[in-house]
Amino acid sequence: DTGVSQNPRHKITKRGQNVTFRCDPISEHNRLYWYRQTLGQGPEFLTYFQNEAQLEKSRLLSDRFSAERPKGSFSTLEIQRTEQGDSAMYLCASSLDWGNEQFFGPGTRLTVL
Amino acid sequence: TQLLEQSPQFLSIQEGENLTVYCNSSSVFSSLQWYRQEPGEGPVLLVTVVTGGEVKKLKRLTFQFGDARKDSSLHITAAQPGDTGLYLCAGASNYGGSQGNLIFGKGTKLSVKP
Repeated sequence: DTGVSQNPRHKITKRGQNVTFRCDPISEHNRLYWYRQTLGQGPEFLTYFQNEAQLEKSRLLSDRFSAERPKGSFSTLEIQRTEQGDSAMYLCASSLDWGNEQFFGPGTRLTVL
Repeated sequence: TQLLEQSPQFLSIQEGENLTVYCNSSSVFSSLQWYRQEPGEGPVLLVTVVTGGEVKKLKRLTFQFGDARKDSSLHITAAQPGDTGLYLCAGASNYGGSQGNLIFGKGTKLSVKP
């Protein structure tokens, strides 16, 4: 089964540290999405890529957040100078193209102490 | 701003009971997806509805898309403990030029007791 994979599954860090998450989408999926989910809420959109191009960013994506998808395959999401409010589940999803169903990975749970 | 409201927020029932979860919006969506999420895991896609009035069945689960494509419902017949989880509805955003990112409701947390 070659679904969406994410690493690490869990990350605990201290406030002020930088963290980086990785997402490997389903092979041949052109679109890759990042979402954030806090306790008691549904996922909220952060950003998405069409191949290697980052086409949209949410207002939730502050300047401390940066995402890349250098070769149009895997993607990384980096958070600089983490804050306690960044604690959340970070979810990655991929789809074949626009309008197609999105399939999610297992998520990375970030805890900022 | 496009919003999806789900109700009820929490639901605790006994095995064998029927239930319905609602997903409502004032906006029209080109499609709606239903996902189920287990604690500590990502959402798993159950179904996508596209056409107004569409009804889809997945074993004991029945999904309906409203005629105006603003609302949807999920009905579970004879619920089982394995149905326990967070049920999320999500619509494909078409607001402000956005193309394709999903807008989620807050979810319905279902607990089915044996």
